[in-house]
Amino acid sequence: KQEVTQIPAALSVPEGENLVLNCSFTDSAIYNLQWFRQDPGKGLTSLLLIQSSQREQTSGRLNASLDKSSGRSTLYIAASQPGDSATYLCAVDDYKLSFGAGTTVTVRA
Amino acid sequence: EAGVTQSPTHLIKTRGQQATLRCSPISGHTSVYWYQQALGLGLQFLLWYDEGEERNRGNFPPRFSGRQFPNYSSELNVNALELEDSALYLCASSPGTGANVLTFGAGSRLTVL
Repeated sequence: KQEVTQIPAALSVPEGENLVLNCSFTDSAIYNLQWFRQDPGKGLTSLLLIQSSQREQTSGRLNASLDKSSGRSTLYIAASQPGDSATYLCAVDDYKLSFGAGTTVTVRA
Repeated sequence: EAGVTQSPTHLIKTRGQQATLRCSPISGHTSVYWYQQALGLGLQFLLWYDEGEERNRGNFPPRFSGRQFPNYSSELNVNALELEDSALYLCASSPGTGANVLTFGAGSRLTVL
């Protein structure tokens, strides 16, 4: 059974600081890995999707890496802003989506 | 406590047919969300129901519809199936409007041939 772990569970940083969010998974036989953002009272927003054959994906200030062999992914958010405050979820697709519990980020102005 | 349950796990249809997917939320949860994840794409928001009413809808054509029953379970209907409707359909539930924690089901994988 796939287990997805996200560390830390919560993170509070001052505006402008870079964010590093970690995700680990136990079964490396995956199709892809996704990072989502979840705002209070709303659904998920897909941020980045990394196919199993890829090692990295970038979108604006976001960069996600994938190391399948070690079962790890890292989401970097550069120059954080208060609008980045949200819960960030990673999800591993091994035929069904297995989500981590998320990292709740607070960016202080 | 039972989690969010979805059925069927897998469904195979042909173009032009209709598909119905079902979702039972966690007991006590009144909000149900539906998402589509097509192969190689991120999760796309489809529908949000709360207290029996449609609260929000994603950018999908009208042939995607659904409803929420008095017991808060929900079904998603896809009419006039097209090949590109092949995807994993995820349902999630939450305690209600304003709650920010969604619990997802394992999904229903729809294949359109």
